[in-house]
Amino acid sequence: DAGVIQSPRHEVTEMGQEVTLRCKPISGHNSLFWYRQTMMRGLELLIYFNNNVPIDDSGMPEDRFSAKMPNASFSTLKIQPSEPRDSAVYFCASRKLAGGYNEQFFGPGTRLTVL
Amino acid sequence: QQPVQSPQAVILREGEDAVINCSSSKALYSVHWYRQKHGEAPVFLMILLKGGEQKGHDKISASFNEKKQQSSLYLTASQLSYSGTYFCGTEIRAGSYQLTFGKGTKLSVIP
Repeated sequence: DAGVIQSPRHEVTEMGQEVTLRCKPISGHNSLFWYRQTMMRGLELLIYFNNNVPIDDSGMPEDRFSAKMPNASFSTLKIQPSEPRDSAVYFCASRKLAGGYNEQFFGPGTRLTVL
Repeated sequence: QQPVQSPQAVILREGEDAVINCSSSKALYSVHWYRQKHGEAPVFLMILLKGGEQKGHDKISASFNEKKQQSSLYLTASQLSYSGTYFCGTEIRAGSYQLTFGKGTKLSVIP
């Protein structure tokens, strides 16, 4: 298995620009999570989807953040407009809903720097 | 509510043991443990469920005290490869899989 794939791995942008982060979950996994990691706040859950449907987006910090999952193999997290305080590492993770309790598999992350 | 991990950091020599604690102010359904090496993604170690079921690693063990809303991760005979930051993720609603992670415990194992 290829694992969870995220792109880009690094993104440097200027304040006010739109940023789109992409995630391809592991094939067969039907639950997908977006996390943000910073030194100050640690690893925070932003939003998660089950079977492509958003279940809980209460962790999304502001309306500037939006996430979509148009199909089982692709999800995006968009920030528009971006701000310096959005600088962080963004992780996508996936897991199978069926088969009882099992782990989330994390992607390699996207390191976002907003200047 | 973010769980509290202790200690924040620990340095061990190879072969020594360590315990990492995770405490929550809310009743827990499950606790998930992950390890993250610098610049890498978190990697799953273990899940502990209310009721005692445990899944995970053969060289690292853990306990889950439901009444105290606490979990502890035990690393015995530490190896250099154990170095990294350990996170606990807590789930308060059964089946939600919505995890709230602690801020992590940085473990450094030296020769």
